[in-house]
Amino acid sequence: KQEVTQIPAALSVPEGENLVLNCSFTDSAIYNLQWFRQDPGKGLTSLLLIQSSQREQTSGRLNASLDKSSGRSTLYIAASQPGDSATYLCAVCGGGSQGNLIFGKGTKLSVKP
Amino acid sequence: EAQVTQNPRYLITVTGKKLTVTCSQNMNHEYMSWYRQDPGLGLRQIYYSMNVEVTDKGDVPEGYKVSRKEKRNFPLILESPSPNQTSLYFCASNPGHPSTDTQYFGPGTRLTVL
Repeated sequence: KQEVTQIPAALSVPEGENLVLNCSFTDSAIYNLQWFRQDPGKGLTSLLLIQSSQREQTSGRLNASLDKSSGRSTLYIAASQPGDSATYLCAVCGGGSQGNLIFGKGTKLSVKP
Repeated sequence: EAQVTQNPRYLITVTGKKLTVTCSQNMNHEYMSWYRQDPGLGLRQIYYSMNVEVTDKGDVPEGYKVSRKEKRNFPLILESPSPNQTSLYFCASNPGHPSTDTQYFGPGTRLTVL
């Protein structure tokens, strides 16, 4: 059974720092890995999707990497800002007809001015 | 604006009183699904639908029903809610299968069953 783990559970950094969020998964047979952002009282917003054949994806100050063989992904946030404060969720898609995402429990990020 | 909408956003009800949470998307997406989010357990899929009239169980389907009579709508039905169904519920949609496309999530429905 696929399990997704995110470390750390919470992280507090001063504004301007570069930071890395970690995600690991137990079964390397995935179709893709996605990073989401969740703000309180709001839904999930997709940040980056990495297909299993890819090694990384970039969007603005965000860079996500995928090492399928070792079951790891990282989300790198450059020059963090207070507006980056949110919970970041990692999810893997195991494919099949169900296509459900298996989520980690998230990393709650606080960026202090 | 492309979006997934859910109603109601907040609901407090009592055990056994049937309720429906609606979900609608305006992006002509084929795949839709429901998740519940619980502290310590994360998000788990309840039901999914590959297209109109095609639905199937996710990982935690007990106590829930769904229907997909139209492409845009995917309501979640709780025939006899119980307190263990108190949770935050999210509807999501995809242009195609989630193995190739990202999911778009609704804003969530916070349900409390007394």
